[in-house]
Order: sequence, then C-alpha cells, then structure tokens
Amino acid sequence: DQQVKQNSPSLSVQEGRISILNCDYTNSMFDYFLWYKKYPAEGPTFLISISSIKDKNEDGRFTVFLNKSAKHLSLHIVPSQPGDSAVYFCAASADRATNKLIFGTGTLLAVQP
Amino acid sequence: DTGVSQDPRHKITKRGQNVTFRCDPISEHNRLYWYRQTLGQGPEFLTYFQNEAQLEKSRLLSDRFSAERPKGSFSTLEIQRTEQGDSAMYLCASSLMSDSPLHFGNGTRLTVT
Repeated sequence: DQQVKQNSPSLSVQEGRISILNCDYTNSMFDYFLWYKKYPAEGPTFLISISSIKDKNEDGRFTVFLNKSAKHLSLHIVPSQPGDSAVYFCAASADRATNKLIFGTGTLLAVQP
Repeated sequence: DTGVSQDPRHKITKRGQNVTFRCDPISEHNRLYWYRQTLGQGPEFLTYFQNEAQLEKSRLLSDRFSAERPKGSFSTLEIQRTEQGDSAMYLCASSLMSDSPLHFGNGTRLTVT
C-alpha cells in the first residue's frame, strides 16, 4: 500500500528550463509534506516543506504547490541547473508530534547542460 | 554543525551473523530516527527516539532488530541472525524538535551474502 506515489521514475530537463516533479498521496490525514534531494552515496537532504494550511511555499529557485482536493503536490525548480541532478523524494507526515515520514519512491532528475 | 555521522559506511556479512551500526546525531538534536531504504524504494521508517526513550517501532522491525540510545546521544541498531532480505541502506536521521525537518546521515549499506 503505497501512500505516497511518485509515478515518474525519471525526468530529463535542459539547463535553464523549469523542472516539475510530481507527487500524489492517498492518506487524507497527511498534513505536512516535504521534498528531499539525494545525491549518490549520500543521505537525503531536506529541500523545502509545506503545511496543509498553505497551497504554495517558495524558497529561492524551489517552489512547492499543494492541491489538497486532488491529493497532489509538485516541486518546481526554476531555472534548473546541472547541480540539481539528483533523486528527489516526496515525503508526508500525518503526525507532526512523531515527525514520522512516509516517502515516495523518488524521481531521478537529470539536468542537461 | 558536523552533521549526522554513521559508521560503518559499508558492511558485508554472511547470513546468520550479527551486525551493529552506529549513528551519531547532530549534537543538540534530541530526536533520532532509523530508516531503511531498499533498491528502487524510498526510505521506510523503522523506529525513533526522543532522548533515550524509544517511542515507536515499525512492524518492519522484527524481533531480530534492536535499537538503543543509552544516554540520549549516539544510537546503535543491531540485527541478529541476518538474512539476505536485510540487505539495504540503513539511514539515521536527527531533528531538533518534533516538527523540524529530519537531517539524514549518509547511511550504512549492508550486504548479506
């Protein structure tokens, strides 16, 4: 039972263009969502988060959008840079007190120079 | 901030042997989490500690697994009588507060032959 789904295993984008990574969830109890970036041989690194009371959160080149009715969130990276090439994981939490995260399977982003 | 440190980075063991991994969280973080990641999947929650107290264990954590955080600082994860299905990346994460983003270490890759 995959509660957090990232249906695109990979994405290729040209440098300078927008990267859009998508994530769907099934558990309506999720109220906090995060994106992590992972380079090979390293642990995941926190990128950006959003609470369910918001529909958008922005941090520099990274913006996360949340559509609660569709149970969908997306990460926009503008402009994309070669250093953004990594695996991106979407994660969700239904309990901020425990901070236990449920992760998606990840999307491999390749930004072509 | 030296980050979350995990030791060893790699462990190869024969089926039936016991293994122990260590995690040193960021020094002021009182929350510590263990996750497991297998190929093609996102990290899966195993257990977490608030200081020295283990507050939750996933059903993924069979009786062969035990985790400790004796003085509320470093933590160990022991797997007894390893099986080939235990082969995975074991990730440790820490957070300052219950609703702070998790900071992950680079993981311990376990291979059971």
